[in-house]
Amino acid sequence: ETGVTQSPTHLIKTRGQQVTLRCSSQSGHNTVSWYQQALGQGPQFIFQYYREEENGRGNFPPRFSGLQFPNYSSELNVNALELDDSALYLCASSLGVSKNEKLFFGSGTQLSVL
Amino acid sequence: DAKTTQPPSMDCAEGRAANLPCNHSTISGNEYVYWYRQIHSQGPQYIIHGLKNNETNEMASLIITEDRKSSTLILPHATLRDTAVYYCIVRGISGGGADGLTFGKGTHLIIQP
Repeated sequence: ETGVTQSPTHLIKTRGQQVTLRCSSQSGHNTVSWYQQALGQGPQFIFQYYREEENGRGNFPPRFSGLQFPNYSSELNVNALELDDSALYLCASSLGVSKNEKLFFGSGTQLSVL
Repeated sequence: DAKTTQPPSMDCAEGRAANLPCNHSTISGNEYVYWYRQIHSQGPQYIIHGLKNNETNEMASLIITEDRKSSTLILPHATLRDTAVYYCIVRGISGGGADGLTFGKGTHLIIQP
């Protein structure tokens, strides 16, 4: 158990819809990052939030957006869902933004887009 | 961050040492070697990391060659619960901004009873 919780665990949406995924970070962790993991692939970095601001982003389009709240929990929003957005979405928290920090991952949200 | 190469899969007998290799021939002087693993239907789990010297913790040992172009993760007494995908990641820790961890496809380690 890492102390990072994600909800929901599974979700089914149709193409064109919007989805919001939620993450509660481990106690004391102020940094949250999100990853997308397609079937059979390693996780791909979407973005990172620190003190409620996005401070880094991977190669994902603007329809992937996020929020971080004062309690350091976070949301990932995806608009205009596409079939290729079907994946496991992982949230990870860390003590800070140093690249030497260990990441603690949740178990993910499995999103299926039909 | 430098690219890594790992075998796609490996088998190991329960109770034996599992040795997982990783090549990172383009690693630069300020880049660390990290290992994470992912057990089926869970998120990745941090195992160990190192820069130049060999490292050991309660989970594993990390052996880095003198030229730093390759490394080996050692699970000393593998159990069935060690069956997972193991990711070797090279990461520079200097510089600003956040660029996340770069995961490849990893090595699927299967522990045989």
